[in-house]
Amino acid sequence: QQQVRQSPQSLTVWEGETAILNCSYEDSTFDYFPWYWQFPRESPALLIAIRPVSNKKEDGRFTIFFNKREKKLSLHITDSQPGDSATYFCAAIFSVLYFGSGTKLTVEP
Amino acid sequence: DMKVTQMPRYLIKRMGENVLLECGQDMSHETMYWYRQDPGLGLQLIYISYDVDSNSEGDIPKGYRVSRKKREHFSLILDSAKTNQTSVYFCASSSHFNQDTQYFGPGTRLLVL
Repeated sequence: QQQVRQSPQSLTVWEGETAILNCSYEDSTFDYFPWYWQFPRESPALLIAIRPVSNKKEDGRFTIFFNKREKKLSLHITDSQPGDSATYFCAAIFSVLYFGSGTKLTVEP
Repeated sequence: DMKVTQMPRYLIKRMGENVLLECGQDMSHETMYWYRQDPGLGLQLIYISYDVDSNSEGDIPKGYRVSRKKREHFSLILDSAKTNQTSVYFCASSSHFNQDTQYFGPGTRLLVL
């Protein structure tokens, strides 16, 4: 059973638009939710993260919205730039890190 | 400079051969991990090591074993490699004090023919 699910599998937006990446999880004991991004032929790198005590975490153009009751979260990227084109992984931790299958974001100029 | 290194970066092996993937880190992190990444599946945890000679299976340990004799080194061994072990392998490390943040190595691309 997949612990972390992501949608959509791929997403294309125009430069300047807001990209919305969705994530849901199974286990209520998860206590930390990082988002990683990965550029082609590179390793994943931590982008932004949230703990369940908060329902929102902002870092510049990147914002996580968290709904603990529904076990859902989303990553919003405002004013998307071509340099944001990457695969984004939602993950969840309770002693072990579980990754979703990723959303490939393409930002067209 | 905090760094996780992996060797080799690219490797081609024939089915049935033994494979050794090496990982090193210079941050004195206690915990180290091996993941594999396949298209459409994200990263899957193979093994986790909490310190020297303290290793635990992850989600997909079958066909793999690990060795950690020094805190800064963590090896992944494939005894008699199979074609379905063709993948990109990532090593990562984290500190006991900040387990939530993992630092990833550059990856090893393994092709088993």
